[in-house]
Amino acid sequence: AQTVTQSQPEMSVQEAETVTLSCTYDTSENNYYLFWYKQPPSRQMILVIRQEAYKQQNATENRFSVNFQKAAKSFSLKISDSQLGDTAMYFCAFMKPSGNTPLVFGKGTRLSVIA
Amino acid sequence: DGGITQSPKYLFRKEGQNVTLSCEQNLNHDAMYWYRQDPGQGLRLIYYSQIVNDFQKGDIAEGYSVSREKKESFPLTVTSAQKNPTAFYLCASSIGPGVGSGANVLTFGAGSRLTVL
Repeated sequence: AQTVTQSQPEMSVQEAETVTLSCTYDTSENNYYLFWYKQPPSRQMILVIRQEAYKQQNATENRFSVNFQKAAKSFSLKISDSQLGDTAMYFCAFMKPSGNTPLVFGKGTRLSVIA
Repeated sequence: DGGITQSPKYLFRKEGQNVTLSCEQNLNHDAMYWYRQDPGQGLRLIYYSQIVNDFQKGDIAEGYSVSREKKESFPLTVTSAQKNPTAFYLCASSIGPGVGSGANVLTFGAGSRLTVL
C-alpha cells in the first residue's frame, strides 16, 4: 500500500519570504500522480499543484513550485513571496496511475504566514 | 456553475441514530469519494465509487454505508455501528484518466461537520 509522510506538522513564515514544505511517499509503482492541496480556515480543499511522475520537469503554478525527486520519493512544495492568504493546512497526496482511484493523503502541514 | 454540493453543513446526532450525508455533483464526473477528516489524521478514505451501481470500501468503512444509484449522487450513511462518528466529512469527485489539466484531479465539496451528542 502507498503511504505519504509529511514530517512537519506546523511551520511559519514571514510575509514575502519563501517556505518549503516536505513530503515523502512510498510506492512500488513506476508511474503515478502527486498533488498538493490547500485547506484554508474555510475547510474547502483547493488544488495547488499536480505532478505526473513520468515528467521530469518540476511543475509550477505562479508562486508555487515543486521539487520532485523520483529516486528519493520526495515531493516538496515551495511557496515564494508568501502572502497572508497562504495561511492554511497543506496536504500532500498520491494517486495510482490508473485514474479514478482515490487519493492517499499525508497528515498535513499547518502553515502560518506572519505579517 | 458546476460543482459539488454537500448537505447539511452541520449535523447533530444522538447516539444510536443513523444519519445520512448528501453529496451531489453536476460536473458529469464518473468517480465519487468520501473522506473523513480528524485533527492530526489527515484525510482517510471511507468509500469510493468509480461507476454507477458499484462502490468499494476504503480504509475505514466500518460503520458506514453508501449507495450510487445515480451518477450525480453518492450519499453516505453513518450508522449506529460507527463508534466515534464525530468528524468532518468531505465528498469529492473526479473525471478520470486522460489528457488535460483536469484529468485525475479530485474536486471537493465544502464538507459536512457531524457531531454526536
